[in-house]
Amino acid sequence: GENVEQHPSTLSVQEGDSAVIKCTYSDSASNYFPWYKQELGKRPQLIIDIRSNVGEKKDQRIAVTLNKTAKHFSLHITETQPEDSAVYFCAPGGYGQNFVFGPGTRLSVLP
Amino acid sequence: DTEVTQTPKHLVMGMTNKKSLKCEQHMGHRAMYWYKQKAKKPPELMFVYSYEKLSINESVPSRFSPECPNSSLLNLHLHALQPEDSALYLCASSQADRRDYEQYFGPGTRLTVT
Repeated sequence: GENVEQHPSTLSVQEGDSAVIKCTYSDSASNYFPWYKQELGKRPQLIIDIRSNVGEKKDQRIAVTLNKTAKHFSLHITETQPEDSAVYFCAPGGYGQNFVFGPGTRLSVLP
Repeated sequence: DTEVTQTPKHLVMGMTNKKSLKCEQHMGHRAMYWYKQKAKKPPELMFVYSYEKLSINESVPSRFSPECPNSSLLNLHLHALQPEDSALYLCASSQADRRDYEQYFGPGTRLTVT
């Protein structure tokens, strides 16, 4: 099955700085690379995703980059704000694969 | 309507009780999921329903019994639970039972087993 890791496990940044979270996976057949955000006491929500035919995708302050050869993808958040404080999960996968979330990265944005 | 709803929000039950969790979606999604999430851990898949049929059971103990009465509803029947079953139970749905589709999560039911 898919082995998924995230680094770092916790991250603290000053408001306005950038944050980068990396997700590594083991199954080379994965072709879908989403990031979910879960605020304290709330449900996980998809914030950005990318498919294997694209190297980078941007949506305002967030972006995802993919390196399929090295089997990792990263979440980039620029100009961080307090409301970005949450746990972020990657969940790489593809058709027919198991449903597995990464262990999560707790991001704290300090005012 | 792009929301998944769950009831109740909180549930406290004894080890001899029988209770049910409910989940509903009106997005026309054909796949629905139950996840269990312990504190500071990722969601862990329990069951997948595809077109109202159980397609995945991740070796969940029989004290958890899922049911999909129709394409919009998903239930999780609970019986003789253990204290270690205390967790947040999340329901989710997606367009199809495929790992490369977005999952929409409900707000969860926080279950405490005493």
